[in-house]
Amino acid sequence: DVKVTQSSRYLVKRTGEKVFLECVQDMDHENMFWYRQDPGLGLRLIYFSYDVKMKEKGDIPEGYSVSREKKERFSLILESASTNQTSMYLCASSPLRGGLAEQFFGPGTRLTVL
Amino acid sequence: AQSVAQPEDQVNVAEGNPLTVKCTYSVSGNPYLFWYVQYPNRGLQFLLKYITGDNLVKGSYGFEAEFNKSQTSFHLKKPSALVSDSALYFCAVTRGDTGRRALTFGSGTRLQVQP
Repeated sequence: DVKVTQSSRYLVKRTGEKVFLECVQDMDHENMFWYRQDPGLGLRLIYFSYDVKMKEKGDIPEGYSVSREKKERFSLILESASTNQTSMYLCASSPLRGGLAEQFFGPGTRLTVL
Repeated sequence: AQSVAQPEDQVNVAEGNPLTVKCTYSVSGNPYLFWYVQYPNRGLQFLLKYITGDNLVKGSYGFEAEFNKSQTSFHLKKPSALVSDSALYFCAVTRGDTGRRALTFGSGTRLQVQP
C-alpha cells in the first residue's frame, strides 16, 4: 500500500527556532513536494524536488529551505520560525516526471509557532 | 501562470440528491486537471484526473467530472450524494506540455451533505 509519512502530526515551536519537518515515502517516487494549507487559500506549493539533491522553488519559498539527500526523504526547514508560518504542512510524492501522475499525500503536520 | 478558481466556499446538498462542485482553471497549453478530497484530520486523497480523451472522467467513490475546454471548467459531480461524502474538495491543474511538475490548487470547497 502506498505510503507517505510525516514525522509529526502536531508541533509547537517558539519564534526564532529552527524547525525540521520530515517526510518519507516508500514508493520509490522521483517527485516530492511540500505544501502549506491555510483556510481559504487552499494548498500553496513551497518547494518540490524531482530527484535527489535537486530542488525547485514553488510559489511561496521565502523563509523555507529543503533538503533531499535520499530519494525517499524530503525535509522542510524553517530557518527561523515566525508566527506567520503557523499552518498545516503537507508532503506529497508522485511516481512520474511530468504532470501525468497523481500525487500521494501524507497526513500533514500542524505547526504552531508561538 | 496557472490558476484554479473554486467559486463556492461551501456547497450544501441533501442526501440522495445530485451534487456539483465547481472548478474553473487558467493555464497556457494543455491542462492536466485533478480532484482531491480531504476528510477531517486526514491528508488529501486522489479522486480523479483528466489528461486527454473523453471529456467525462469517472473516479473513486462514484464521482465523475466533466472537462469543458471552451468554458475552461472541470466540475465535479455525483448523481446521488451520501452523508459520508461530506469533506473538503480541491481542484488542481498543471501544464501538460512543460517540465513543471507541481500542481496549482484551488482554495477548496466544503461539501456538506445533510441526512
